[in-house]
Amino acid sequence: EADIYQTPRYLVIGTGKKITLECSQTMGHDKMYWYQQDPGMELHLIHYSYGVNSTEKGDLSSESTVSRIRTEHFPLTLESARPSHTSQYLCASSDPGSSYNEQFFGPGTRLTVL
Amino acid sequence: SQKIEQNSEALNIQEGKTATLTCNYTNYSPAYLQWYRQDPGRGPVFLLLIRENEKEKRKERLKVTFDTTLKQSLFHITASQPADSATYLCALDMGNQGGKLIFGQGTELSVKP
Repeated sequence: EADIYQTPRYLVIGTGKKITLECSQTMGHDKMYWYQQDPGMELHLIHYSYGVNSTEKGDLSSESTVSRIRTEHFPLTLESARPSHTSQYLCASSDPGSSYNEQFFGPGTRLTVL
Repeated sequence: SQKIEQNSEALNIQEGKTATLTCNYTNYSPAYLQWYRQDPGRGPVFLLLIRENEKEKRKERLKVTFDTTLKQSLFHITASQPADSATYLCALDMGNQGGKLIFGQGTELSVKP
């Protein structure tokens, strides 16, 4: 079992609210990622980070923002949630020194915006 | 841009049979191709990786093949069990994208006792 955690697991919130999805890993990985996944669809990369103070936007445009102040922590923030933000959000990390470059995923946060 | 096609129809097989899942891609061959398992409501879990210059890789009951001419990878589970029921995702690592992966939408496998 990978040591990567996401909270909350489920969140139902009203339109216009500010939310932060938490992601933490205890493996000391430099690389971290946020994906968005709708039911039956592929994972889309929305943000990634190669280390502290490094953040980049992914291939799928997202209104969310991220920060990386500590190696182990990579929170995602939505300033004003909308129904179109309803989705599953998955956080992952990887070790750049690994020969496989596999990604370790958290359990995900299922977000519903009413 | 790179596209991945996995069979969107669920695969239903009988326990003990071999399950074969397909991953096709367009454009350039990836440096590495990875397979993940995803259970409902959970994050994907890494299973196997195969490199561009490898034809086949095995791990216990799992076997992955990689054909860069056909632009295809096959994922086999032998002696399948009901516990193997899940969605299986393939992911491409182009090798020059800093570790970023491109995921397919996955194929749902159901193994009946």
